Amino acid sequence: EVQLLESGGGLVQPGGSLRLSCAAAGYSFSNFAMSWVRQAPGKGLEWVSAISKTGGSTFYADAVKGRFTIARDNSRNTVYLQMDSLRAEDTAVYYCAPGSVGGTYRFDNWGQGTRVTVSS
Amino acid sequence: DIQMTQSPSSLSASVGDRVTITCRASQGISNFLAWYQQKPGKAPKSLIYAASGLQTGVPSRFSGSGSGTDFTLTISSLQPEDFATYYCQQYYNYPPTFGGGTKLEIK
Repeated sequence: EVQLLESGGGLVQPGGSLRLSCAAAGYSFSNFAMSWVRQAPGKGLEWVSAISKTGGSTFYADAVKGRFTIARDNSRNTVYLQMDSLRAEDTAVYYCAPGSVGGTYRFDNWGQGTRVTVSS
Repeated sequence: DIQMTQSPSSLSASVGDRVTITCRASQGISNFLAWYQQKPGKAPKSLIYAASGLQTGVPSRFSGSGSGTDFTLTISSLQPEDFATYYCQQYYNYPPTFGGGTKLEIK
């Protein structure tokens, strides 16, 4: 069974930083790309960032480009999202989701999410 | 970016009803379309992949169809646990994009 456990969320002031982690288990972590998807309060789903299975390629939504950095440690089966220069509009629940054999951005499994609140 | 438009944005229905949700892509995406169900306070759950493939463990009352730009999710006979919000998502190309969601409520 695929298990994904996000952590690292919390309350941070505008302009601050936060690092999210997602620990994966139950599948071959290093064989799949990983994505972060977020959901602002009362809103829909928004893809944020992805990283290839080796970590050699990274991708970002325009809304976070230059402020967020995705990384992975295949020895720890963990993906990270470093979030800098945070804004109020980054307030959301952040989910990690691996790609699938059917496609890098096909999300068959999701973590439970970690909440990020950006407020003074 | 490919825009995904769902309709309706909300829907009231009764247990036992047949309901259909529509998703339209701003350009052709072949069958690279997924459907997710989300209940309040919970993570999304994958229901359908490749437009019509049923994920393991998903009840057969759920079905998906379509190709190109127009897709549908059908629930053949609503059950109490089906009241939730449903999202479509294209994974044809980068970046992946989601529809705005359809909130299915009890009438």
